[in-house]
Amino acid sequence: NAGVTQTPKFQVLKTGQSMTLQCAQDMNHNSMYWYRQDPGMGLRLIYYSASEGTTDKGEVPNGYNVSRLNKREFSLRLESAAPSQTSVYFCASRSGNSPDYEQFFGPGTRLTVL
Amino acid sequence: KNQVEQSPQSLIILEGKNCTLQCNYTVSPFSNLRWYKQDTGRGPVSLTIMTFSENTKSNRRYTATLDADTKQSSLHITASQLSDSASYICVVNRGDTGTASKLTFGTGTRLQVTL
Repeated sequence: NAGVTQTPKFQVLKTGQSMTLQCAQDMNHNSMYWYRQDPGMGLRLIYYSASEGTTDKGEVPNGYNVSRLNKREFSLRLESAAPSQTSVYFCASRSGNSPDYEQFFGPGTRLTVL
Repeated sequence: KNQVEQSPQSLIILEGKNCTLQCNYTVSPFSNLRWYKQDTGRGPVSLTIMTFSENTKSNRRYTATLDADTKQSSLHITASQLSDSASYICVVNRGDTGTASKLTFGTGTRLQVTL
Protein backbone atom coordinates (compact mmCIF):
# COMPACT_ATOMS: atom_id res chain seq x y z
CA ASN A 1 0.00 0.00 0.00
CA ALA A 2 2.04 2.96 -1.29
CA GLY A 3 -0.47 5.69 -0.35
CA VAL A 4 0.02 8.80 -2.50
CA THR A 5 2.89 8.75 -4.98
CA GLN A 6 4.25 11.61 -7.05
CA THR A 7 6.63 11.80 -9.97
CA PRO A 8 9.11 13.26 -10.54
CA LYS A 9 10.72 14.12 -7.20
CA PHE A 10 12.81 16.91 -8.68
CA GLN A 11 12.57 18.89 -11.90
CA VAL A 12 14.35 21.88 -13.40
CA LEU A 13 12.68 23.76 -16.24
CA LYS A 14 13.53 26.77 -18.32
CA THR A 15 11.03 29.60 -18.57
CA GLY A 16 8.40 28.74 -21.16
CA GLN A 17 8.84 24.99 -21.02
CA SER A 18 5.93 22.74 -20.17
CA MET A 19 5.66 19.70 -17.97
CA THR A 20 3.17 17.46 -16.20
CA LEU A 21 3.40 16.40 -12.57
CA GLN A 22 1.93 12.99 -11.94
CA CYS A 23 0.05 11.83 -8.85
CA ALA A 24 -1.53 8.50 -8.01
CA GLN A 25 -3.21 7.07 -4.91
CA ASP A 26 -4.05 3.48 -4.08
CA MET A 27 -6.45 4.13 -1.19
CA ASN A 28 -9.61 4.27 -3.34
CA HIS A 29 -10.12 7.90 -2.34
CA ASN A 30 -12.69 10.03 -4.12
CA SER A 31 -11.09 13.45 -3.66
CA MET A 32 -7.67 14.57 -4.83
CA TYR A 33 -5.83 17.87 -4.51
CA TRP A 34 -2.80 19.79 -5.72
CA TYR A 35 -1.02 22.25 -3.43
CA ARG A 36 2.06 24.37 -3.66
CA GLN A 37 4.31 25.16 -0.70
CA ASP A 38 6.49 28.26 -0.73
CA PRO A 39 8.90 29.50 1.96
CA GLY A 40 7.15 31.52 4.63
CA MET A 41 3.69 30.62 3.36
CA GLY A 42 1.19 27.93 4.20
CA LEU A 43 0.22 25.35 1.65
CA ARG A 44 -2.05 26.84 -0.99
CA LEU A 45 -4.58 24.91 -3.01
CA ILE A 46 -4.11 25.03 -6.77
CA TYR A 47 -6.83 22.67 -8.04
CA TYR A 48 -8.88 19.86 -6.63
CA SER A 49 -11.08 17.05 -7.83
CA ALA A 50 -13.94 16.20 -5.49
CA SER A 51 -14.69 13.03 -7.42
CA GLU A 52 -13.74 11.27 -10.61
CA GLY A 53 -14.78 13.36 -13.58
CA THR A 54 -14.83 16.72 -11.78
CA THR A 55 -12.18 19.36 -11.23
CA ASP A 56 -12.35 22.82 -9.66
CA LYS A 57 -10.06 25.78 -9.11
CA GLY A 58 -8.52 26.42 -5.76
CA GLU A 59 -6.85 29.51 -4.38
CA VAL A 60 -4.01 29.88 -6.93
CA PRO A 61 -5.00 28.20 -10.24
CA ASN A 62 -3.45 30.62 -12.73
CA GLY A 63 -0.82 29.03 -14.96
CA TYR A 64 -1.93 25.48 -14.21
CA ASN A 65 -4.27 22.87 -15.60
CA VAL A 66 -5.31 19.52 -14.19
CA SER A 67 -6.69 16.22 -15.38
CA ARG A 68 -8.44 13.61 -13.28
CA LEU A 69 -7.49 10.69 -15.48
CA ASN A 70 -9.36 8.12 -13.41
CA LYS A 71 -10.12 7.56 -9.76
CA ARG A 72 -6.47 6.85 -8.97
CA GLU A 73 -4.64 9.52 -10.94
CA PHE A 74 -4.65 13.33 -10.90
CA SER A 75 -2.09 15.24 -12.93
CA LEU A 76 -1.00 18.88 -12.84
CA ARG A 77 0.25 20.56 -16.00
CA LEU A 78 2.30 23.70 -16.40
CA GLU A 79 1.84 24.85 -19.99
CA SER A 80 4.44 27.63 -19.97
CA ALA A 81 6.52 27.59 -16.82
CA ALA A 82 7.47 30.85 -15.13
CA PRO A 83 10.03 31.50 -12.36
CA SER A 84 7.11 32.33 -10.02
CA GLN A 85 6.09 28.68 -10.27
CA THR A 86 9.28 27.57 -8.56
CA SER A 87 7.91 25.72 -5.56
CA VAL A 88 7.34 22.37 -3.92
CA TYR A 89 4.17 20.74 -5.18
CA PHE A 90 2.16 18.30 -3.09
CA CYS A 91 -0.62 16.03 -4.16
CA ALA A 92 -3.11 14.84 -1.56
CA SER A 93 -6.14 12.61 -1.43
CA ARG A 94 -9.08 12.15 0.88
CA SER A 95 -11.80 9.52 0.98
CA GLY A 96 -14.66 12.03 0.93
CA ASN A 97 -15.71 15.59 1.51
CA SER A 98 -16.53 15.37 5.20
CA PRO A 99 -14.39 17.83 7.16
CA ASP A 100 -13.43 15.01 9.53
CA TYR A 101 -11.66 13.06 6.82
CA GLU A 102 -7.89 13.28 6.83
CA GLN A 103 -5.94 14.35 3.77
CA PHE A 104 -3.03 12.10 2.90
CA PHE A 105 -0.12 13.81 1.20
CA GLY A 106 2.43 12.59 -1.29
CA PRO A 107 6.19 13.16 -0.87
CA GLY A 108 6.22 16.26 -3.07
CA THR A 109 7.86 17.43 -6.29
CA ARG A 110 10.49 20.14 -6.02
CA LEU A 111 10.28 22.28 -9.16
CA THR A 112 12.75 24.98 -10.16
CA VAL A 113 12.03 27.27 -13.11
CA LEU A 114 15.04 29.18 -14.39
CA LYS B 1 -9.68 37.51 6.72
CA ASN B 2 -9.22 33.80 7.47
CA GLN B 3 -5.75 33.32 8.87
CA VAL B 4 -3.77 30.79 10.86
CA GLU B 5 -0.71 32.08 12.68
CA GLN B 6 1.83 29.87 14.36
CA SER B 7 4.53 30.63 16.86
CA PRO B 8 7.37 30.39 17.29
CA GLN B 9 8.57 30.30 13.71
CA SER B 10 11.42 28.03 14.74
CA LEU B 11 12.61 26.36 17.91
CA ILE B 12 15.70 24.45 19.04
CA ILE B 13 15.52 22.20 22.09
CA LEU B 14 17.64 19.54 23.71
CA GLU B 15 16.64 15.93 23.42
CA GLY B 16 14.45 14.89 26.31
CA LYS B 17 13.03 18.35 26.89
CA ASN B 18 9.40 19.35 26.42
CA CYS B 19 8.10 22.10 24.16
CA THR B 20 4.84 23.76 23.24
CA LEU B 21 3.88 25.11 19.84
CA GLN B 22 1.13 27.67 19.41
CA CYS B 23 -1.55 28.22 16.80
CA ASN B 24 -3.93 31.19 16.69
CA TYR B 25 -6.63 31.39 14.09
CA THR B 26 -9.24 33.82 12.87
CA VAL B 27 -10.99 31.27 10.65
CA SER B 28 -14.74 31.31 10.79
CA PRO B 29 -16.92 29.32 10.87
CA PHE B 30 -14.84 26.65 12.60
CA SER B 31 -15.20 22.96 11.84
CA ASN B 32 -12.01 21.33 13.09
CA LEU B 33 -8.29 21.84 13.53
CA ARG B 34 -5.50 19.44 12.64
CA TRP B 35 -1.86 19.35 13.54
CA TYR B 36 0.42 17.92 10.87
CA LYS B 37 4.05 16.89 11.12
CA GLN B 38 6.19 17.44 8.06
CA ASP B 39 9.63 15.86 7.94
CA THR B 40 12.19 17.51 5.68
CA GLY B 41 11.60 16.48 2.07
CA ARG B 42 8.35 14.70 2.87
CA GLY B 43 4.65 15.46 2.78
CA PRO B 44 2.69 16.44 5.91
CA VAL B 45 1.29 13.65 8.09
CA SER B 46 -1.66 14.19 10.42
CA LEU B 47 -0.92 13.92 14.16
CA THR B 48 -4.30 14.75 15.59
CA ILE B 49 -7.65 16.38 14.88
CA MET B 50 -9.53 18.65 17.27
CA THR B 51 -13.23 19.35 16.93
CA PHE B 52 -15.18 22.18 18.50
CA SER B 53 -16.16 20.22 21.60
CA GLU B 54 -12.71 18.80 22.36
CA ASN B 55 -10.31 20.56 24.72
CA THR B 56 -7.45 18.09 24.89
CA LYS B 57 -6.33 15.08 22.90
CA SER B 58 -3.20 13.00 23.24
CA ASN B 59 -1.38 10.85 20.71
CA ARG B 60 1.68 9.18 22.22
CA ARG B 61 4.01 12.03 23.27
CA TYR B 62 1.92 14.68 21.50
CA THR B 63 -0.87 16.51 23.35
CA ALA B 64 -3.04 19.01 21.51
CA THR B 65 -5.31 21.52 23.17
CA LEU B 66 -8.05 23.68 21.75
CA ASP B 67 -9.74 26.77 23.16
CA ALA B 68 -12.50 27.56 20.67
CA ASP B 69 -13.49 30.70 22.57
CA THR B 70 -10.09 32.34 22.20
CA LYS B 71 -9.39 30.57 18.90
CA GLN B 72 -6.13 29.12 20.09
CA SER B 73 -4.58 25.69 19.91
CA SER B 74 -1.32 24.29 21.18
CA LEU B 75 0.74 21.19 20.54
CA HIS B 76 2.82 19.97 23.45
CA ILE B 77 5.62 17.51 22.83
CA THR B 78 6.84 15.56 25.83
CA ALA B 79 10.32 14.07 26.22
CA SER B 80 11.43 15.13 22.77
CA GLN B 81 13.39 12.80 20.53
CA LEU B 82 15.68 13.50 17.60
CA SER B 83 12.98 12.12 15.32
CA ASP B 84 10.67 14.95 16.41
CA SER B 85 12.78 17.35 14.34
CA ALA B 86 10.33 18.54 11.69
CA SER B 87 7.91 21.30 10.80
CA TYR B 88 4.58 21.26 12.58
CA ILE B 89 1.67 22.74 10.67
CA CYS B 90 -1.67 23.85 12.07
CA VAL B 91 -4.59 23.54 9.65
CA VAL B 92 -8.08 24.87 10.29
CA ASN B 93 -11.15 23.68 8.42
CA ARG B 94 -13.64 26.50 8.17
CA GLY B 95 -16.45 24.66 6.47
CA ASP B 96 -19.21 22.26 7.00
CA THR B 97 -19.23 19.41 4.50
CA GLY B 98 -17.36 20.70 1.54
CA THR B 99 -14.16 20.72 -0.33
CA ALA B 100 -10.57 21.29 0.56
CA SER B 101 -10.92 24.89 -0.52
CA LYS B 102 -12.07 25.51 3.05
CA LEU B 103 -8.74 24.51 4.62
CA THR B 104 -6.46 27.27 5.88
CA PHE B 105 -2.85 26.27 6.54
CA GLY B 106 -0.45 27.91 8.95
CA THR B 107 3.14 28.52 7.92
CA GLY B 108 4.44 26.01 10.44
CA THR B 109 6.91 25.88 13.32
CA ARG B 110 10.25 24.34 12.49
CA LEU B 111 11.45 22.29 15.46
CA GLN B 112 15.00 21.06 15.81
CA VAL B 113 15.87 18.60 18.57
CA THR B 114 19.58 18.37 19.35
CA LEU B 115 21.82 16.25 21.56
